[in-house]
Amino acid sequence: GAVVSQHPSRVICKSGTSVKIECRSLDFQATTMFWYRQFPKQSLMLMATSNEGSKATYEQGVEKDKFLINHASLTLSTLTVTSAHPEDSSFYICSALTGGVTEAFFGQGTRLTVV
Amino acid sequence: GQQVMQIPQYQHVQEGEDFTTYCNSSTTLSNIQWYKQRPGGHPVFLIQLVKSGEVKKQKRLTFQFGEAKKNSSLHITATQTTDVGTYFCALGGGSQGNLIFGKGTKLSVKP
Repeated sequence: GAVVSQHPSRVICKSGTSVKIECRSLDFQATTMFWYRQFPKQSLMLMATSNEGSKATYEQGVEKDKFLINHASLTLSTLTVTSAHPEDSSFYICSALTGGVTEAFFGQGTRLTVV
Repeated sequence: GQQVMQIPQYQHVQEGEDFTTYCNSSTTLSNIQWYKQRPGGHPVFLIQLVKSGEVKKQKRLTFQFGEAKKNSSLHITATQTTDVGTYFCALGGGSQGNLIFGKGTKLSVKP
C-alpha cells in the first residue's frame, strides 16, 4: 500500500513555543491530506482537511490561527502548532488519499508533549 | 453531521475466545471502513464494505454490513495476542473524502 511518512514521531516543547509536524506521501501524490488529533483512550477527531495549493478547511472548534496548515506540494503537508500549551499535548496523525482509492493511509503519528 | 456509535468500548478476552465489535448509525451509510490501531501505533486499513448485506473474511476476521446499511460488525474467531489493539469503524464519503471514526473498541487478550 501507499506510504505516508510523518515526522517527528515524538516532540517535547516548552509552553509558548511552536512545533511543526510534517506529513509526506512517499510514493504517491496526495491532493488531499487530513489532520487528526487523538487524546488518550479516545478516537481520532478530524481537525482539518488540507488541499494542495489552497487553504485548509478546519472543523468546527479548531482554531485556524493556532493550528497552521500548509499543503505546498502534492507530497507534503505541514501542521504547525503555534504558541503551544499543555492542553495541546496529544497524538497528531495525518492521513492521505490517493486518486481512485477510498482507503486512507496514515502517517505514524506525532506525540506532542507541551511542558 | 453523520455519526456512528461503536460498542463495546473495551473488551477483555482470554486467548482463544471470540470477539465482536459493532457499529451503528441512524442513517444509511454509503460505505463503512474498518481500521486497527495497535498500542502506540497508527490506524491501519483493514477493509471497506459497500454492499447491503456484504460479508467479507480475512483469515479469522469476519466483517459484515447490515442489510439496511446502517450497521456493521467485526468478528474475530479464536483471538490471539497479536489481535490486541483498538478497532475503529469509520464512515467515508465526507465532502472531501474525510473519515468519521467511531470511538473504537479496545481489545485486550490474556494469554
